[in-house]
This record gives sequence, C-alpha cells and structure tokens, in this order.
Amino acid sequence: DAKTTQPTSMDCAEGRAANLPCNHSTISGNEYVYWYRQIHSQGPQYIIHGLKNNETNEMASLIITEDRKSSTLILPHATLRDTAVYYCIVRVEEAGTALIFGKGTTLSVSS
Amino acid sequence: ETGVTQTPRHLVMGMTNKKSLKCEQHLGHNAMYWYKQSAKKPLELMFVYNFKEQTENNSVPSRFSPECPNSSHLFLHLHTLQPEDSALYLCASSLFLVEGVPEKLFFGSGTQLSVL
Repeated sequence: DAKTTQPTSMDCAEGRAANLPCNHSTISGNEYVYWYRQIHSQGPQYIIHGLKNNETNEMASLIITEDRKSSTLILPHATLRDTAVYYCIVRVEEAGTALIFGKGTTLSVSS
Repeated sequence: ETGVTQTPRHLVMGMTNKKSLKCEQHLGHNAMYWYKQSAKKPLELMFVYNFKEQTENNSVPSRFSPECPNSSHLFLHLHTLQPEDSALYLCASSLFLVEGVPEKLFFGSGTQLSVL
C-alpha cells in the first residue's frame, strides 16, 4: 500500500500557482519524498525530491513540513500542459527497491 | 525524449499469440523495471532488474516472462495472455549508485497492449 494520502483531484487557473498537498504521517527518518507526474498516455516524469529541506528546481518547488509528515508541491505558474496526474511517493533508498505509485492527484489546469 | 525507448507503441494480440515488448535505455543506467497500468488504476510494479539480475518479481503470472540480456535492454515476453491483461506496459530505468543516495526513474512512453 502507498504510504501517502493525496486529494483525488484539483483545479487550477492558468497562470496561477498550483499547490498540491501530500500527507505522509508515517514517514521514516531515512525516507525521501518524491514527486512524479504522468501526462495522459505517457510514462511518468520525475519532478523533484527532498528529505528534510525545501527544494526548488526549474519545474517546481517542494515544501516539507518540519515534522516531515506532509509536503506541498508548488507549480508557480501553471500552464495547460501541466494538466496531469501528480504522484507523491515516499521511499527509502535500498538496493533492489522500486517506486510504488498510489492513485495520485489529477490536476486540471484551465484557461 | 527521456532516453528510454519502448517498442512497439501499440500491440494487438490474440490469446494464443506469443509476442515480446522491447525496452532500450541510452542513459548508462544499471537498473530497469517493468510496470503495468490498467485503465483507471495506479501503476503496478511487475519486475525489477539490478545489474541484469532480477531482484523483484511482484507476484506476476508466469504468462509474463522478463529478460534482461544486458544493462541497456529489457524484454517482456508474452504468451497465452487474457483480455484482462490489456493495459499500458511501461519500462523505466535508473542509475543505482549506493544505498541511501536518491535515484530518479526515467520512463519510456509505454506499449499499449490489447488482448482480444
């Protein structure tokens, strides 16, 4: 079973920030938080990951609460092409393991 | 382009056919994966290969047979499939360095399989 809880769906207006929440209240100290997204009929795409500190890259920002029990993925200026299913995954880095995907959040960006 | 190429993109097969899905990565990665995505369901992990050795078989029926001849190629051999096996089959690869170091998965575009 996935260790995360995400809303089933969210809407966002084009040009506005999209804030996607994720709860991971049972996360362990050595587990990372990863975000991937899947645009319709394509393979998932890596977005960002973090352990304790907030992270930012060219795609998004990741805000992790101090107790690490939840996080938020922020797309600062959503476009129509950001419409996708967004997956929040927690994972410990061990040999031979793989990402386990949950149901994710379907983000719909509209003009 | 993600550097992971899957062929064919679409495949229609009968229940008595034998076919193979191919995945090739050009990223120098050492781990490869097969995932299955049925309609409106989450991705399901099927097989994991690290350094060409199968390290995980997620209770997949024997009608699915993986093969990893080298670190760049991964195959999924299919035989006597059922209509419920119709799904999007995704291949992924990653560079596993040492335990504790994050690795990103790179996915192909998938093979959309229809079993009639």
